[in-house]
Amino acid sequence: GENVEQHPSTLSVQEGDSAVIKCTYSDSASNYFPWYKQELGKRPQLIIDIRSNVGEKKDQRIAVTLNKTAKHFSLHITETQPEDSAVYFCAASWRTGFQKLVFGTGTRLLVSP
Amino acid sequence: EAQVTQNPRYLITVTGKKLTVTCSQNMNHEYMSWYRQDPGLGLRQIYYSMNVEVTDKGDVPEGYKVSRKEKRNFPLILESPSPNQTSLYFCASSLQETQYFGPGTRLLVL
Repeated sequence: GENVEQHPSTLSVQEGDSAVIKCTYSDSASNYFPWYKQELGKRPQLIIDIRSNVGEKKDQRIAVTLNKTAKHFSLHITETQPEDSAVYFCAASWRTGFQKLVFGTGTRLLVSP
Repeated sequence: EAQVTQNPRYLITVTGKKLTVTCSQNMNHEYMSWYRQDPGLGLRQIYYSMNVEVTDKGDVPEGYKVSRKEKRNFPLILESPSPNQTSLYFCASSLQETQYFGPGTRLLVL
């Protein structure tokens, strides 16, 4: 089955810096890659996603890139702010309807003022 | 308000005592899932359902049961809980790709 690896497990940056989180997946049939943000004590929430027919997607300070050949995708956060501090999870899915989600192990991002 | 609800939010129980965690959504979503979250392991899918009476195993289904008799409800059943099922559980629902998570149920099995 699918396996998703996520790095780094923790990431500390200064406010205003950029942060990059990387994930690799094993199943070349995977075609949907969402990123979720989980603040302390709260539920995961989708922040951005990308399909396999797209190489890059942006939403304000957040972007995701996908390299299908290398089977990896990355989350880029620019101009980080303290409220970006959270745990970020990547995921991959290959089933019709995208219900068979496999998550990475998470990255704890700490943005210091 | 569109939402996914779970009950109870917190539960302490003993080994072997059957329990059910309820999940309900008011968004008329076809798809529902259960996940468990453990430190260092991320979110792992337990079971998912694509519609009423249609369920399938996720990555860690052992020790769990589910049912989907109504579209809005997707209860998670632990018939004989064990300490290794101590975890944070999330229910999620979706119409297409985006999964909306419930608030979570923190379970401690003694």
